[in-house]
Amino acid sequence: GENVEQHPSTLSVQEGDSAVIKCTYSDSASNYFPWYKQELGKGPQLIIDIRSNVGEKKDQRIAVTLNKTAKHFSLHITETQPEDSAVYFCAASMGGTYKYIFGTGTRLKVLA
Amino acid sequence: EAGVVQSPRYKIIEKKQPVAFWCNPISGHNTLYWYLQNLGQGPELLIRYENEEAVDDSQLPKDRFSAERLKGVDSTLKIQPAELGDSAVYLCASSIQGSHEQYFGPGTRLTVT
Repeated sequence: GENVEQHPSTLSVQEGDSAVIKCTYSDSASNYFPWYKQELGKGPQLIIDIRSNVGEKKDQRIAVTLNKTAKHFSLHITETQPEDSAVYFCAASMGGTYKYIFGTGTRLKVLA
Repeated sequence: EAGVVQSPRYKIIEKKQPVAFWCNPISGHNTLYWYLQNLGQGPELLIRYENEEAVDDSQLPKDRFSAERLKGVDSTLKIQPAELGDSAVYLCASSIQGSHEQYFGPGTRLTVT
């Protein structure tokens, strides 16, 4: 079946450093790739997304890049802050549908 | 604007008992999703509604799980009977019809003993 792999599973960075989380997907028809942040006891929150016709998107300290040929996409967080500590999930749409396959999550810890 | 509301937030039941979860989506959101999230995993779709119609329930274990969205707004997800393996967080999400942007509720953490 369709699959999304996410790495690393845990990531610790010093405050102010950058963090990068990478995902690969298997469905070549996937055309929408959201990233979610989930804090303890809360539901996932959409933080940024990218569509297959775009290679890069940026929103303040967060950016996402997409390589369709290699079928991988990455989340970049610059100037990390303690409040960025959370679990981050990538996802890929199944074809052009509204059904997503989620990665297994990355626990990011920003050390003050 | 209020977000997606779910209740209860926590539920502990014994195996073989029934349980129900309730979700109120964001006002104006026609599309509603129920997800299952196991510990340390990403959410997995159980069912998607467009208004009152279940348009994708292929992942819903229909022998014990059921869902309804009678008036196209609130939704209820039921498990009967619950099994130990059903212990997880059940998430509800909603979106504007035709939009990819899904907004999640806080989830219901179910523990089956």
